[in-house]
Amino acid sequence: EIVLTQSPGTLSLSPGERATLSCRASQSVSSNSLAWYHQKPGQAPRLLIYGASSRATGIPDRFSGSGSGTDFTLTISRLEPEDFAVYYCQQYGTSFTFGPGTKVDIK
Amino acid sequence: EVQLVESGGGLVKPGGSLRLSCAASGFTFSNAWMSWVRQAPGKGLEWVGRIKSKTDGGTIEYAAPVKGRFAISRDDSKTTLYLQMNSLKTEDTAVYYCTTGVNVVAGTSSWGQGTLVTVSS
Repeated sequence: EIVLTQSPGTLSLSPGERATLSCRASQSVSSNSLAWYHQKPGQAPRLLIYGASSRATGIPDRFSGSGSGTDFTLTISRLEPEDFAVYYCQQYGTSFTFGPGTKVDIK
Repeated sequence: EVQLVESGGGLVKPGGSLRLSCAASGFTFSNAWMSWVRQAPGKGLEWVGRIKSKTDGGTIEYAAPVKGRFAISRDDSKTTLYLQMNSLKTEDTAVYYCTTGVNVVAGTSSWGQGTLVTVSS
């Protein structure tokens, strides 16, 4: 099973700041099959990035994904108020696993 | 518009059984690979299992914690996904979501609103 580790656990930032979230896999993720979601309280997760760097339909360009192999990054260039949420990475190349999440909260 | 609506959650005693349903609409369900994902209260997301489309072999995979206790099935004529949960444990308490997973062609991933399963005596 591929284990995903996310860091940091919590990121405290202000609106307008840049957020950088990390996701590390215990082994190489097949075909860069790595997705990022965010989730707000009481809501289902929403897909942001798939294939490590492709933005999902309707996702603004302030969200970008990068990385390959075992190290992946989600960057939010300028945080908007609606971006404060929990972010999960997921690999779907070899079965499926989720990372434990990074909470982005307001400083 | 894609819609996924879960139902069947509730309170069940340890060792009991429950069957969840996920009614799908707005897309060609028979072609979709469908998954169940759960989220324990205050915790992260946990993949439960996936079923491929019949045309792709209908293969089913399960996460280790539920293998042998849970069974995923589908009825393409009713565009409905099922999760049969047996020998339930307190640690199975969670909101259960059905999802299409990542559609790399459309760049989308659709999720239901979730249904809460509480396992408690």
